[in-house]
Amino acid sequence: GAVVSQHPSRVICKSGTSVKIECRSLDFQATTMFWYRQFPKKSLMLMATSNEGSKATYEQGVEKDKFLINHASLTLSTLTVTSAHPEDSSFYICSAGSPGVETQYFGPGTRLLVL
Amino acid sequence: QQQVKQSPQSLIVQKGGIPIINCAYENTAFDYFPWYQQFPGKGPALLIAIRPDVSEKKEGRFTISFNKSAKQFSLHIMDSQPGDSATYFCAASDPTSGTYKYIFGTGTRLKVLA
Repeated sequence: GAVVSQHPSRVICKSGTSVKIECRSLDFQATTMFWYRQFPKKSLMLMATSNEGSKATYEQGVEKDKFLINHASLTLSTLTVTSAHPEDSSFYICSAGSPGVETQYFGPGTRLLVL
Repeated sequence: QQQVKQSPQSLIVQKGGIPIINCAYENTAFDYFPWYQQFPGKGPALLIAIRPDVSEKKEGRFTISFNKSAKQFSLHIMDSQPGDSATYFCAASDPTSGTYKYIFGTGTRLKVLA
């Protein structure tokens, strides 16, 4: 299957700082990338969908100014959590899809802890 | 109508048993149904997927049964092993989203006893 990487795998930051998470498709071109958030023992909650070269589409209730998404190339999307607060602590997972293919391939996730 | 209902929430089976996880949906526009396996602290990994025009699909020890009229589908794990202990998520792809957005079930925590 296709490989998706995320960096960093784990990050601890102070409240008020910004954190950037990278999602890369290593062996295929991903026109669409998805960003999810997952709370302990819960399902994946879709935050936003990003298409290469265009603005991300955010799900209802997700603050676009807080969770900045950039999808500048066919292999890289970034999620920046701005002015992070303890309630932003979570497991963030990206997935990537190829053109015309329904299958999403997931990254390994990034554990964010905001102190 | 956009929900995917998954049951049971948790499941314990003996090694060699056949755990069955069920999902149900309402939106008949959904046209692709994948199952993912997730270990603690890891991202979900695709196990197997099916389309509505197929009633059953088997890959290794994993089988999906699909009932289009009932709008239900299920995952069967044959000869389950302790290494299968994980959380399993069903999903449905929404083609009307234009981006194959997934609607996920709530997950099933499976424990296979040695």
